[in-house]
Amino acid sequence: DIVMTQSPDSLAVSLGERATINCKSSQSLLYNSNNKNYLAWYQQKPGHPPKLLIHWASTRESGVPDRFSGSGSETDFTLAISSLQAEDVAVYYCQQYYITPLTFGGGTKVEIK
Amino acid sequence: QVQLQESGPGLVKPSQTLSLTCLVSGGSISRVSDHWSWIRQPAGKGLEWVGRIDLRGSTNYNPSLKSRVTISADTSKNEISLKLNSVTAADTAVYFCARVGEPGYWYFDLWGRGTLVAVSS
Repeated sequence: DIVMTQSPDSLAVSLGERATINCKSSQSLLYNSNNKNYLAWYQQKPGHPPKLLIHWASTRESGVPDRFSGSGSETDFTLAISSLQAEDVAVYYCQQYYITPLTFGGGTKVEIK
Repeated sequence: QVQLQESGPGLVKPSQTLSLTCLVSGGSISRVSDHWSWIRQPAGKGLEWVGRIDLRGSTNYNPSLKSRVTISADTSKNEISLKLNSVTAADTAVYFCARVGEPGYWYFDLWGRGTLVAVSS
């Protein structure tokens, strides 16, 4: 199985400041035939299902604010929130869809400092 | 607007079979997507992929669940179903059904609200 490791487990950021979440996979998620990284990011608020933010490592889902951005390739990926808003308080998960079993990172809890 | 709604018994006894249904509304299931998954989340913990189904008939399950899981689809009822047998307390979780974002690429762009299943005698 591909192991997805997120860091940090939690972080507290001041409103308007930048938040950065890391996700590392135990093997490359880059599929050479299409040059795409099979990595998605989700946001989950308490009592709600996960919400897709980004797929293909850096493609923002329609309707997701542009303060959210994804980057990285192969085994190292980052989700950045450029200017943290109160509504961004949530747990964030990465997920690989390169191979089954599909696996998720352990989650990163983002709070307001 | 397509919506997913999971349902099933909230309490299942150990060793019995957990049976859940995901009703797809707002469109014919086969027109909405050919690819569906179940994902679960124990309280306060992370997400675990349970398995997937392609409406052309193929299924794929998480090996961690060994041979206990079966996912099926009933296009006449617009439903995706999950059966998990020989349950234990470790199967206590919120169970979500989800739709893939692009056919064949297993990220999930639409989720149900989830249904909580507790395994307890």
